[in-house]
Amino acid sequence: KAGVTQTPRYLIKTRGQQVTLSCSPISGHRSVSWYQQTPGQGLQFLFEYFSETQRNKGNFPGRFSGRQFSNSRSEMNVSTLELGDSALYLCASSLQAVTDTQYFGPGTRLTVL
Amino acid sequence: AQRVTQPEKLLSVFKGAPVELKCNYSYSGSPELFWYVQYSRQRLQLLLRHISRESIKGFTADLNKGETSFHLKKPFAQEEDSAMYYCALSGSARQLTFGSGTQLTVLP
Repeated sequence: KAGVTQTPRYLIKTRGQQVTLSCSPISGHRSVSWYQQTPGQGLQFLFEYFSETQRNKGNFPGRFSGRQFSNSRSEMNVSTLELGDSALYLCASSLQAVTDTQYFGPGTRLTVL
Repeated sequence: AQRVTQPEKLLSVFKGAPVELKCNYSYSGSPELFWYVQYSRQRLQLLLRHISRESIKGFTADLNKGETSFHLKKPFAQEEDSAMYYCALSGSARQLTFGSGTQLTVLP
């Protein structure tokens, strides 16, 4: 079956702008998680969505938000971008929970200038 | 709070030698622990989880609650094992906390 897809793969934005990233999970997967990966902080959990509801949230400011649609596709939004938001943003889907096998997407590389 | 520590950023072993990637965790309850792996130019993927108690690609990991460790071991390393390995923990908050990763290189 098709894997997790993320669009776009690369983004360049300037400080103060906002950005929306998209994730299409594997068919039948209802849990979608988002992670931020940076050289300094590593992989950090942003949030998890299940059945269109945010079920868990990591320690990130309110500028980071997300949503999930009825077909389980998910978007994350970052408002008022800062230089430190430059990172690889990974999406992962699983059947029901983060403790199920997570299938990761290729990531979206965001560069903030 | 939950925390995962992988003390080695880089680890090199020769082909055929045993390999152990260390993972220590901090969590007051009963965690679920995982090893994820990322091969060159591939996506991050699950290698194994402690509750399965299985061997995947020759790798095993035992949860030691006394030492709060979940080290990954393989008796005979192969060149195709070269990859980035991440230890991860899930506690009652039901979020995955990853360690900083260990880059394993298996030399010919």
